[in-house]
Amino acid sequence: DQQVKQNSPSLSVQEGRISILNCDYTNSMFDYFLWYKKYPAEGPTFLISISSIKDKNEDGRFTVFLNKSAKHLSLHIVPSQPGDSAVYFCAAQLTQGGSEKLVFGKGTKLTVNP
Amino acid sequence: SQTIHQWPATLVQPVGSPLSLECTVEGTSNPNLYWYRQAAGRGLQLLFYSVGIGQISSEVPQNLSASRPQDRQFILSSKKLLLSDSGFYLCAWSVQWNQPQHFGDGTRLSIL
Repeated sequence: DQQVKQNSPSLSVQEGRISILNCDYTNSMFDYFLWYKKYPAEGPTFLISISSIKDKNEDGRFTVFLNKSAKHLSLHIVPSQPGDSAVYFCAAQLTQGGSEKLVFGKGTKLTVNP
Repeated sequence: SQTIHQWPATLVQPVGSPLSLECTVEGTSNPNLYWYRQAAGRGLQLLFYSVGIGQISSEVPQNLSASRPQDRQFILSSKKLLLSDSGFYLCAWSVQWNQPQHFGDGTRLSIL
């Protein structure tokens, strides 16, 4: 049972345009959501996060939107740059027993074409 | 600043051999520590987490075990590796209360 789903395995956009990466989740107990960026043979790098009590968080070119009623979040990258090409993982956090467990989606490979 | 180190970066082991992967964190005290595995074509799966020395929680039944002998040291082990243990293993740390987890660079484990 996959609690966090990224239904698009890949996305290709032109440089300068907007990239929109989507993520759906099923567990209403998730209290924190994160996006990670991953290059081949490297660990994921934290990109941006949003608490479940907010619906938007912006950091430079990156904005994350959360729609709790739809159990959906998205990452917007504007404008997209070739260096943004990577695999993006959506993650949802469950706080239990004093620790935070992350459940990851399978990732979306973003390719930004020059 | 905090840093996380994992080694080795790559490892090729025969079936049935033992395994020991090490992860250390610097620049913070009493972090939460995590081991993940990313199998080919799949997302990251949480294997173990630890909230303190000697405290290990296992998320999935498997051929692996974890230990935390020191505050900032997390070890992933196996007595006998299986072919299905191949994958990309990642260690991560976090402080508590809605702070992101930060990952090491991972170990690519290939079982022959």
